[in-house]
Amino acid sequence: DSGVTQTPKHLITATGQRVTLRCSPRSGDLSVYWYQQSLDQGLQFLIQYYNGEERAKGNILERFSAQQFPDLHSELNLSSLELGDSALYFCASSGGGGTEAFFGQGTRLTVV
Amino acid sequence: GQQLNQSPQSMFIQEGEDVSMNCTSSSIFNTWLWYKQDPGEGPVLLIALYKAGELTSNGRLTAQFGITRKDSFLNISASIPSDVGIYFCAGRGATNKLIFGTGTLLAVQP
Repeated sequence: DSGVTQTPKHLITATGQRVTLRCSPRSGDLSVYWYQQSLDQGLQFLIQYYNGEERAKGNILERFSAQQFPDLHSELNLSSLELGDSALYFCASSGGGGTEAFFGQGTRLTVV
Repeated sequence: GQQLNQSPQSMFIQEGEDVSMNCTSSSIFNTWLWYKQDPGEGPVLLIALYKAGELTSNGRLTAQFGITRKDSFLNISASIPSDVGIYFCAGRGATNKLIFGTGTLLAVQP
């Protein structure tokens, strides 16, 4: 158990819909990262938050957004969903100071 | 999105054999990481490398940070069935973002 909790574990939704994925980082970790894993693109960095502020942005679509709340949990919002958004979405957290991130178990999103 | 070249793509070996895999990049990295991912789980960090030429071991696993800073290698000695999984390299450069490799699927026959 990495200590990073993601909910839900599985999500099935229709095209055009909007979903929210939730992540609780390890206790004390200030950084949260979101990654997307698909068969054709592999593991891709989406976005990083540090203590509530956006720190870095990767290949995140404009239809996707994220935020980190004062209690440090984070949410990834995916809207106007397309079939190609079906993927595993991972959250990872780190404490900063050069420590590497621990990954959660992921949310498997299926868009039908 | 960008991915690092990782080879081989898959390996099917007998228990007890040694395994080698590598990762190459067109960019220079300051950090190389190796992860293992089991089905239905997130990647788990195995080894972290922070200096060119660095050789680091974690049990039966040994990884090296290439001198050119554009490659890294992972060796697994005396493989066992629980080594089965997908191994990913990841590199971090000046942008401070992690870029992952394409993955190596390892299957171990008891």
